[in-house]
Amino acid sequence: QVQLVESGGGVVQPLTSLRLSCAASGFPFSAYGMHWVRQAPGKGPEWVALIWSDGSETYYADSVQGRFTISRDNSKNTLDLQMNSLRVEDTAVYYCARSGARYCRSLDCFGSFALDVWGQGTTVIVSS
Amino acid sequence: DIQLTQSPSFLSASVGDRVTITCRASQGISRYLAWYQQKPGKAPKLLIYSASTLQSGVPSRFSGSGSGTDFTLTISSLQPEDFATYFCQQLNTHLPWTFGQGTKVDVK
Repeated sequence: QVQLVESGGGVVQPLTSLRLSCAASGFPFSAYGMHWVRQAPGKGPEWVALIWSDGSETYYADSVQGRFTISRDNSKNTLDLQMNSLRVEDTAVYYCARSGARYCRSLDCFGSFALDVWGQGTTVIVSS
Repeated sequence: DIQLTQSPSFLSASVGDRVTITCRASQGISRYLAWYQQKPGKAPKLLIYSASTLQSGVPSRFSGSGSGTDFTLTISSLQPEDFATYFCQQLNTHLPWTFGQGTKVDVK
């Protein structure tokens, strides 16, 4: 079945780094754009980053621009999020999610089909 | 950034009730709006995309409407498994994409 499994979360100190991974299975991973979305305790979700199916384009929320990097390895069906210079406000459950349509090549396409499959999330706590 | 305001924030209802949740955008977003359901400790689940298209496998008691700045999620007859928190998300072509603050539906 279609599945996304995140890993790599943990407790880290401010200004340190952490790398999250998402393993995909049950669908043609290389055909789909992928997102990271996070959710702080008691808050609504926050979209973090998007990468196109072939990795050629990436987009970030202003809150993480320049600190986080989204990447993918289509040969291994994995999605990563490299998080540097972590802040207390980055504390959240981090989800990877699939774009709702294959082969999207425009924000109009990504926006039209939303995020249709989500992982179970991995928790990142940034605390001194 | 485009702000989404959901109302109400909390809603008490009974099984069989018709439930309506609204989502207002701070500027026009055409029909780039999705609705998600989230239960405690679980990931959000996509219910509706493009404002009114029902995601595959989602029961037909869920429906969405609206365009521009005003959107509605309706549950025609609330079922026990529908007690959850609901979020809207705007996916306008101008990033970033944002979510509403959520509407918690609980038992009256």
